[in-house]
Amino acid sequence: DVKVTQSSRYLVKRTGEKVFLECVQDMDHENMFWYRQDPGLGLRLIYFSYDVKMKEKGDIPEGYSVSREKKERFSLILESASTNQTSMYLCASSFTSGNTQEQYFGPGTRLTVT
Amino acid sequence: DQQVKQNSPSLSVQEGRISILNCDYTNSMFDYFLWYKKYPAEGPTFLISISSIKDKNEDGRFTVFLNKSAKHLSLHIVPSQPGDSAVYFCAASAFSGTYKYIFGTGTRLKVLA
Repeated sequence: DVKVTQSSRYLVKRTGEKVFLECVQDMDHENMFWYRQDPGLGLRLIYFSYDVKMKEKGDIPEGYSVSREKKERFSLILESASTNQTSMYLCASSFTSGNTQEQYFGPGTRLTVT
Repeated sequence: DQQVKQNSPSLSVQEGRISILNCDYTNSMFDYFLWYKKYPAEGPTFLISISSIKDKNEDGRFTVFLNKSAKHLSLHIVPSQPGDSAVYFCAASAFSGTYKYIFGTGTRLKVLA
């Protein structure tokens, strides 16, 4: 059974703080993704990675950076948290090859920036 | 510009009846489509997918229809059950080697007992 875990379910941070969100997958997937989910906006892609140390910007990368030092771990970094980054953050992973293109999601981290 | 649109933010259906969730897209390069289901406080879970070479895919109570000329897909749930109450997202991909998806805004389905 594929498992994607995220380090925290709920997080409260102050404006200006540096925030780390961690994601780990146990299925040896090449691809990993960070999304944020906001009411009325659906899931929007922040960054993704298709290999260790490789990363690409998604649709809304401003204010975020990522790190992928190991295949199983993909970290999202908020360099200086702002209130407009209050959101649900979802991590996902997938294979590159094969018949299925399914992404497997973690449970999400609800981040509140005050 | 929203490339994948779910124009109905919510839908209520009586238990046992059919639920039809709709999704429209604008990018003709999309060649793979998926539906995800999301319960509150959980991550989305994969439901069903369809490749652009097909117009229908069925899995139990769930069927996805694809109309490429209209750039429209729909998810049919028959019969609907109270446990189907969730937010449903459609997603589309134009293969870029990394299976990057564009998600719709979601439709909240409520199945009434």
